[in-house]
Amino acid sequence: SAVISQKPSRDICQRGTSLTIQCQVDSQVTMMFWYRQQPGQSLTLIATANQGSEATYESGFVIDKFPISRPNLTFSTLTVSNMSPEDSSIYLCSVDSGSIHFGPGTRLTVT
Amino acid sequence: GQQVMQIPQYQHVQEGEDFTTYCNSSTTLSNIQWYKQRPGGHPVFLIQLVKSGEVKKQKRLTFQFGEAKKNSSLHITATQTTDVGTYFCAGQGSARQLTFGSGTQLTVLP
Repeated sequence: SAVISQKPSRDICQRGTSLTIQCQVDSQVTMMFWYRQQPGQSLTLIATANQGSEATYESGFVIDKFPISRPNLTFSTLTVSNMSPEDSSIYLCSVDSGSIHFGPGTRLTVT
Repeated sequence: GQQVMQIPQYQHVQEGEDFTTYCNSSTTLSNIQWYKQRPGGHPVFLIQLVKSGEVKKQKRLTFQFGEAKKNSSLHITATQTTDVGTYFCAGQGSARQLTFGSGTQLTVLP
């Protein structure tokens, strides 16, 4: 099974700033996903990160707010741009390597 | 779009009692998956069900997939304090992305 790491594990950011979250996988995977989990809530898919092409965003999420990079088959980044307190959440990357595996998550607090 | 409903939202049981959580999808699924998230942790994959009417067991956990492939359940027999956490179902339709249920938060009282 895939081993996934995320950086940073947590951060406290000021309103209006941006944070880039990194996701590293220990094996090459075709499909990587970014999820958001707001406090006490379920997981909501933000986008599917495609290697070599633009990410595919779900309804309610846009590239200007959540730009994603996928430079190779083991790495992706998600940027949370122009943050507001409503962006306070856990952000998780996930891969499909036969079964779905999640990274440990990045706990973001926006003040 | 695809929606997955899950009940109950919360469940408190005495240690040794049984527990069941139910999921229902608005559309027919290609498969359904179950995850457990411990407090402060990330979701951990438990199992995937693919076939209509499928039943799978993992020790005290029994997973079922409905005949119409639109509903599923997770049953835990004789709960233990280590079972504490939130259990999510997640449905996968024709596209590869998962739609998560709202989760059932299980508390086991010693």
